Amino acid sequence: NAGVTQTPKFQVLKTGQSMTLQCAQDMNHNSMYWYRQDPGMGLRLIYYSASEGTTDKGEVPNGYNVSRLNKREFSLRLESAAPSQTSVYFCASRLTGITYGYTFGSGTRLTVV
Amino acid sequence: GNSVTQMEGPVTLSEEAFLTINCTYTATGYPSLFWYVQYPGEGLQLLLKATKADDKGSNKGFEATYRKETTSFHLEKGSVQVSDSAVYFCANLNAGGTSYGKLTFGQGTILTVHP
Repeated sequence: NAGVTQTPKFQVLKTGQSMTLQCAQDMNHNSMYWYRQDPGMGLRLIYYSASEGTTDKGEVPNGYNVSRLNKREFSLRLESAAPSQTSVYFCASRLTGITYGYTFGSGTRLTVV
Repeated sequence: GNSVTQMEGPVTLSEEAFLTINCTYTATGYPSLFWYVQYPGEGLQLLLKATKADDKGSNKGFEATYRKETTSFHLEKGSVQVSDSAVYFCANLNAGGTSYGKLTFGQGTILTVHP
């Protein structure tokens, strides 16, 4: 099983450029999430999708947009990248139900110069 | 909302030492609790979980018990190995309200084990 697949693994952007981070899961999970990880800040939720067709803001949504393309795919878009968005981005998914944890992708390391 | 407070690191131990990483939480309702581990350059992997009070989660020699009375979920291992060097995250899963299903993480604890 591939689990949660994120692309690309690494990316360097110039300030003001746009890009889309891709995430796909093959576990038939209902919910999908985007987190960013910064030193000393732990993981912070950017956006999530509780089920296909719905998306909601997390703690730090400013500067990002998301699309839940279908049950498998959940993309994160940076419309105009800023240096403050330099981070490692993780996508995760889970089944519905309080006993289920998240399955994480391996991350995208993004640097904005 | 939910929160998780984790023992600050970094923690440095010699091989075969006993490990404790403290974790306490606040939550509405009865959350599920998790420990995740992150090895260098990788994503987070589920280490263990407990879904109700007094449950003990265990995996790879690690254990944690869901203590509702002290709102704690401390991670322990009796004898650590060099290969356990990683960052450990405690997390709780919201059990109700508008935040249902959202995972809240602690800050992470860096563990380094020396031979």
